[in-house]
Amino acid sequence: LAKTTQPISMDSYEGQEVNITCSHNNIATNDYITWYQQFPSQGPRFIIQGYKTKVTNEVASLFIPADRKSSTLSLPRVSLSDTAVYYCLVGDFSSNTGKLIFGQGTTLQVKP
Amino acid sequence: NAGVTQTPKFQVLKTGQSMTLQCAQDMNHNSMYWYRQDPGMGLRLIYYSASEGTTDKGEVPNGYNVSRLNKREFSLRLESAAPSQTSVYFCASSEAFGPYEQYFGPGTRLTVT
Repeated sequence: LAKTTQPISMDSYEGQEVNITCSHNNIATNDYITWYQQFPSQGPRFIIQGYKTKVTNEVASLFIPADRKSSTLSLPRVSLSDTAVYYCLVGDFSSNTGKLIFGQGTTLQVKP
Repeated sequence: NAGVTQTPKFQVLKTGQSMTLQCAQDMNHNSMYWYRQDPGMGLRLIYYSASEGTTDKGEVPNGYNVSRLNKREFSLRLESAAPSQTSVYFCASSEAFGPYEQYFGPGTRLTVT
């Protein structure tokens, strides 16, 4: 079962690029990697998803090395509104095994 | 278009009481999920329903039961609540069971005394 490890917290300043890494050493062939953002008293919200190499959308990039044992969420030019908890999810959807494992989350504090 | 709705928002139970958490989605999604979130633990999958008529256990199913009432609704039942079930419960849905975006509800904060 893939276990995920993330830094507990990170600080940044407005306008900087932030990289949050998730370690998933036991990732399986069928696992996808997804990142979610959560604000206080709200449910998580999807940011980005990938299987390998690099994925980019309008809000973030996701870098996955060839061995897939880690992944890095990159947030360009953060603002105060990006202060939130960020979770990586490693999920095996190939069978009905319920293997959807969230990391413990990284609390990002963006300062002015 | 409300997305995923959950009721109630807050609930306090005494040990041994039972209750059902309700979840509904209006996005015509096939798959639905129940998670619990505890401080420092991230989200843990309790049960999920890959499609209408099916339910499967997740990582922490003990003490819970679920019912996929129809395509829109997925309920979570605590038959005999315990203090260890004090948590925030989130329902989510996705287009299908696979690497699809999950849409989460606002959560139910449950306290068992």
